[in-house]
Amino acid sequence: DTEVTQTPKHLVMGMTNKKSLKCEQHMGHRAMYWYKQKAKKPPELMFVYSYEKLSINESVPSRFSPECPNSSLLNLHLHALQPEDSALYLCASSQDPSGSSYNEQFFGPGTRLTVL
Amino acid sequence: GNSVTQMEGPVTLSEEAFLTINCTYTATGYPSLFWYVQYPGEGLQLLLKATKADDKGSNKGFEATYRKETTSFHLEKGSVQVSDSAVYFCALSARPGNAGGTSYGKLTFGQGTILTVHP
Repeated sequence: DTEVTQTPKHLVMGMTNKKSLKCEQHMGHRAMYWYKQKAKKPPELMFVYSYEKLSINESVPSRFSPECPNSSLLNLHLHALQPEDSALYLCASSQDPSGSSYNEQFFGPGTRLTVL
Repeated sequence: GNSVTQMEGPVTLSEEAFLTINCTYTATGYPSLFWYVQYPGEGLQLLLKATKADDKGSNKGFEATYRKETTSFHLEKGSVQVSDSAVYFCALSARPGNAGGTSYGKLTFGQGTILTVHP
């Protein structure tokens, strides 16, 4: 299995809602990532998990809360979002977070989030 | 810090035309270089990669050569198809043992080039 899966594919939420995005990989990768991508722009890194521990937080607002329950799963909990948070949220994984090999990242198809 | 600069788009070509998308980078040490492609409505797919100077990455008729002397990783394809229409991102990843070693796990992307191929 060489796939990163993400659910849901689309999500519409109000500013007072609480929702979660889910990401799963079964490639044995030990690094997982959340990115935010606006239309026609490159992905912007939000969080990196290495061996299930948060290793990088790119100064993301606290209304985004990541969670890594195990080595295969990555969640992004959303609360009190703003309309400007509407974007494509991409999950990715890579094999070796220790840096001993090049960092090829495998991306999921993304969740398209709309905040009303 | 690390940075990647891609040629400005959008690029519009006729089917079977030759494609070049320029990519240059700035990085400390010896980064790994990647081209990712994003088809409409989808996530990013790794198109090809190169991990050291003079390496040539190739896939689906696309090629790119890691040129350390010119800090470039230009993407080429001899004959494009309508199905190649997508956004192409050049990216680099810092590797350990250099000043950017603490930034492993981070990809630095170029701004992306939109390619449209007409029949």
